[in-house]
Amino acid sequence: AQTVTQSQPEMSVQEAETVTLSCTYDTSESDYYLFWYKQPPSRQMILVIRQEAYKQQNATENRFSVNFQKAAKSFSLKISDSQLGDAAMYFCAYANAGGTSYGKLTFGQGTILTVHP
Amino acid sequence: GAGVSQSPSNKVTEKGKDVELRCDPISGHTALYWYRQSLGQGLEFLIYFQGNSAPDKSGLPSDRFSAERTGGSVSTLTIQRTQQEDSAVYLCASKQSSYNSPLHFGNGTRLTVT
Repeated sequence: AQTVTQSQPEMSVQEAETVTLSCTYDTSESDYYLFWYKQPPSRQMILVIRQEAYKQQNATENRFSVNFQKAAKSFSLKISDSQLGDAAMYFCAYANAGGTSYGKLTFGQGTILTVHP
Repeated sequence: GAGVSQSPSNKVTEKGKDVELRCDPISGHTALYWYRQSLGQGLEFLIYFQGNSAPDKSGLPSDRFSAERTGGSVSTLTIQRTQQEDSAVYLCASKQSSYNSPLHFGNGTRLTVT
């Protein structure tokens, strides 16, 4: 079974600064997907960024980028130029590739991000 | 367009009662998932529907939990004889049929069992 670990229950950052959220995972699979989701108080899970394990290039979406280290099974999220609207709970998640596995996510415990003005 | 709609937004029930939670996926999305978010267990997969195929029930925690999806659209998650440990936020998500299309989540139903 796969596991996802987020070791930072809470993080804080000043507006306009950069913050990095950590995530490690364990799997015996060679092909899989990793995700970062944001959950604001509305409870809706919003996809921030996705990484395909077979791609060596780190994914980037505007101010959000990841540092994917496959050998170390590490998948951190960097938020640049933090904004007040980035404040939320962030979840790291894993899914096996192929077939019907893509939507069956294994989530980490979450990191609460606070952004200070 | 409309997103994934879940109702009710909040539900308070007494221990031992049955509850039904509803999920209305995005039109045209053939895959539908239920997840549970609780303080003790975090976010857990519960059940998955894909088109007319038999559902993947591998995440259901006990036989008190069941779900159905009528006409390939609306889904209902039923919890029988609710227990206090069933208190959680129940999230529904849907996606298009292509295997790596993104999941779209609803706002969840917060269930409180007293």
